Amino acid sequence: AQKITQTQPGMFVQEKEAVTLDCTYDTSDQSYGLFWYKQPSSGEMIFLIYQGSYDEQNATEGRYSLNFQKARKSANLVISASQLGDSAMYFCAMSGVNTGGFKTIFGAGTRLFVKA
Amino acid sequence: NAGVTQTPKFQVLKTGQSMTLQCAQDMNHNSMYWYRQDPGMGLRLIYYSASEGTTDKGEVPNGYNVSRLNKREFSLRLESAAPSQTSVYFCASSESVPGDTQYFGPGTRLTVL
Repeated sequence: AQKITQTQPGMFVQEKEAVTLDCTYDTSDQSYGLFWYKQPSSGEMIFLIYQGSYDEQNATEGRYSLNFQKARKSANLVISASQLGDSAMYFCAMSGVNTGGFKTIFGAGTRLFVKA
Repeated sequence: NAGVTQTPKFQVLKTGQSMTLQCAQDMNHNSMYWYRQDPGMGLRLIYYSASEGTTDKGEVPNGYNVSRLNKREFSLRLESAAPSQTSVYFCASSESVPGDTQYFGPGTRLTVL
């Protein structure tokens, strides 16, 4: 069965420092996508970054990068130069299509606190 | 360009009442989705529509029905609401096929008493 595990319920980081949010996944699909979303206290879901299972390069989007290690089935999010506005819940997700149809699975999330 | 819009933003129902949550997107996306988010948890897929005219069950479809009214609109109906359906409901859309990046609406906070 597909599964996403985020082992850090909460993380603290000092403003301007980098932080890594962990995500491991389990799937038997050959083709899948990995995503990170940010959910601020206002509640909306904001797309941050995407990594395809066949992409050899790690995805980057501004201050966000995805450390993709396929053999270890991990897709960690790295936020560089943290800002106070980065304080939020962060969700790792995986989507794929196989003979069983479309599936998308979200992890339970990591709450990030950025300290001034 | 509003992206994904949802109505209503908040709703309180009594057990057994019915209601329809509306979702529309203006990004010309083919695929649309409905999720629920319970407190302290990630999102769970209720139903999705890969393209206009098709709908399929997700992880937690029981107690819900959907309609893909046209390419823009995808509604979620609760026929007989139960307290277990108290949740925040998100609609999302993606460009061409399921698996593409999904863009989310602002959510509907539903309370069933």
